[in-house]
Amino acid sequence: GENVEQHPSTLSVQEGDSAVIKCTYSDSASNYFPWYKQELGKRPQLIIDIRSNVGEKKDQRIAVTLNKTAKHFSLHITETQPEDSAVYFCAAHSGSARQLTFGSGTQLTVLP
Amino acid sequence: NAGVTQTPKFRVLKTGQSMTLLCAQDMNHEYMYWYRQDPGMGLRLIHYSVGEGTTAKGEVPDGYNVSRLKKQNFLLGLESAAPSQTSVYFCASSPLRGRSNQPQHFGDGTRLSIL
Repeated sequence: GENVEQHPSTLSVQEGDSAVIKCTYSDSASNYFPWYKQELGKRPQLIIDIRSNVGEKKDQRIAVTLNKTAKHFSLHITETQPEDSAVYFCAAHSGSARQLTFGSGTQLTVLP
Repeated sequence: NAGVTQTPKFRVLKTGQSMTLLCAQDMNHEYMYWYRQDPGMGLRLIHYSVGEGTTAKGEVPDGYNVSRLKKQNFLLGLESAAPSQTSVYFCASSPLRGRSNQPQHFGDGTRLSIL
């Protein structure tokens, strides 16, 4: 089955700086890669996703890049703000299994 | 549109008791999922369903059963609760769009403590 590894587990940045979270996956058949943000005590919420036929996708301050050859994808947050503080999860979706496999999460703290 | 609704939100059980967690979605989604979330371990798939009347095992199915008698509902049952099942349980659903994978929409979660 799919295995997703996520790094780092914790990340602290100064407000205004950029944050990068990296994930690797094992199943070359995986073709959909969403990122979720989870605030304390809340549900995971989709913030951006990318499909395997695209190398990069951007939405305002958030961008995701995908390297299919190396089987890794990354989340980039620019101009971080205190409200970006949360746990971020990457996930990989194998088309054959219709299942999402999640990384273990990154606790992002944006220091004012 | 309420989206995905989970009941109850909190529950405390004694070891050996049984209970059922209910997930309801009003988005006419074909796929539904049950996850558990434990500290430092992300979300792990317990069971899932690709349509009414069908269920399948996920990564951590032992000790749980599920049923999907109606398209909008997905029930998760614990027949004999164990302390290891203390966790936060999330339900999610996603639509079917041909062969293309779609985002999953999550409920607010159920915090379950087994004493």
